[in-house]
Order: sequence, then C-alpha cells, then structure tokens
Amino acid sequence: DTEVTQTPKHLVMGMTNKKSLKCEQHMGHRAMYWYKQKAKKPPELMFVYSYEKLSINESVPSRFSPECPNSSLLNLHLHALQPEDSALYLCASSPFQDQPQHFGDGTRLSIL
Amino acid sequence: QQQVKQSPQSLIVQKGGIPIINCAYENTAFDYFPWYQQFPGKGPALLIAIRPDVSEKKEGRFTISFNKSAKQFSLHIMDSQPGDSATYFCAASKRGYNKLIFGAGTRLAVHP
Repeated sequence: DTEVTQTPKHLVMGMTNKKSLKCEQHMGHRAMYWYKQKAKKPPELMFVYSYEKLSINESVPSRFSPECPNSSLLNLHLHALQPEDSALYLCASSPFQDQPQHFGDGTRLSIL
Repeated sequence: QQQVKQSPQSLIVQKGGIPIINCAYENTAFDYFPWYQQFPGKGPALLIAIRPDVSEKKEGRFTISFNKSAKQFSLHIMDSQPGDSATYFCAASKRGYNKLIFGAGTRLAVHP
C-alpha cells in the first residue's frame, strides 16, 4: 500500500459534469504534485504545490483547477472535460522541493 | 535539452538474467536521477536514485551505473525474477527545481 492515498480509484464522467479528485498524505511532506499519465506513456507534470502555494503550472487548460486546502490534502477539480482528458491522474508528494517524489496509485478517469 | 532518452522500449529476459536499461540526457544542470517501477494499475514506485557525485549505487538486486562524462546512466537488475516484470522509467531533475523529466519507459518481461 502506498502512503499517498487517492480517491476515487475510478471515475466516469460526462463532458458537462463537475467532479473532484482527492489526494491525501500524512507523511508531513510539504510539496505535492499532480501528474497525468496516458497509456504506455510516462507521467506528465501538471501542477506543483509547495507549502500549500501553487509553484508550477505546466500550462494546463483551465478546465483543470487544483486546490491545496492544507498540507495533507490536494484536490483537482474537473469541469467540462474532453474525451482526450481520459487518463490516469497521479498524485505525488515529497518532503520538500528537490526531494524524492512518492506517488499514489492514481485515479483512472474516463470521459464519455 | 530537457529530454531524457530511454532504451530499449521493451525487454524480455529469462529468470536469473540481468536486464539493463539505459538512459541518456543532454542538460548538464540535471543532478538527480531516480528510477521508478510501475506495475499495471499502480502508481510509479521509487526504486533507486543517484546523484552525479557517485558512479554506482546498489540497493538489493538493483544497481544504477552513472557516467557523468557520457551523460548516461543505467539500471541493472541482478538475478531477475518474474515479479520484476513491470514498466521502468528513468527520470532526471535539476537541483532546486522539482520537475521530473521522465524517459519514455521500458516494459520488462521476465520469463520463468
């Protein structure tokens, strides 16, 4: 079992729906990340939070909206997604920036 | 310059063999090189990592070899087992910048 917990494990949504992905870690890590991974491809960085502040946004479309309510939680709010957004969404955390990143098992997202 | 090139794309070995996966980079500012192991339906798990001040690092059956002058690093898996069958990603990042640049991945199959 990983120490980064992601919910839900699977999500199917229509293009007009609004949903949220949740990530939680209790390792005291102060950096948290969202990645997108398509089948047979490496993870692609989307966002980085450091000390609950957004530090990196990799030019992600605004239909993806991250939120870091506290040092243990990271959310990704989804709205008006496209079929090409179907992917595995991974959360990761690290003690600080420039430290080893530990991944959760992801949320498998399907857009109908 | 931001790329990490990984080879081979796929690899089949017999149990007990020593699969070798290679990665090359161009950006000399990279100073942290982790390897991740990913099983189907799971997130990437940090396997082993190295910094450029050492040429080799071993953890159990996994060894990283690092050649700073050639800007190459490789993963060796000693006495490989069917349970090692997974996708392996190399990655690189710059000090103080917590973006991992991933290689394309290697799908390893270890046959009994």
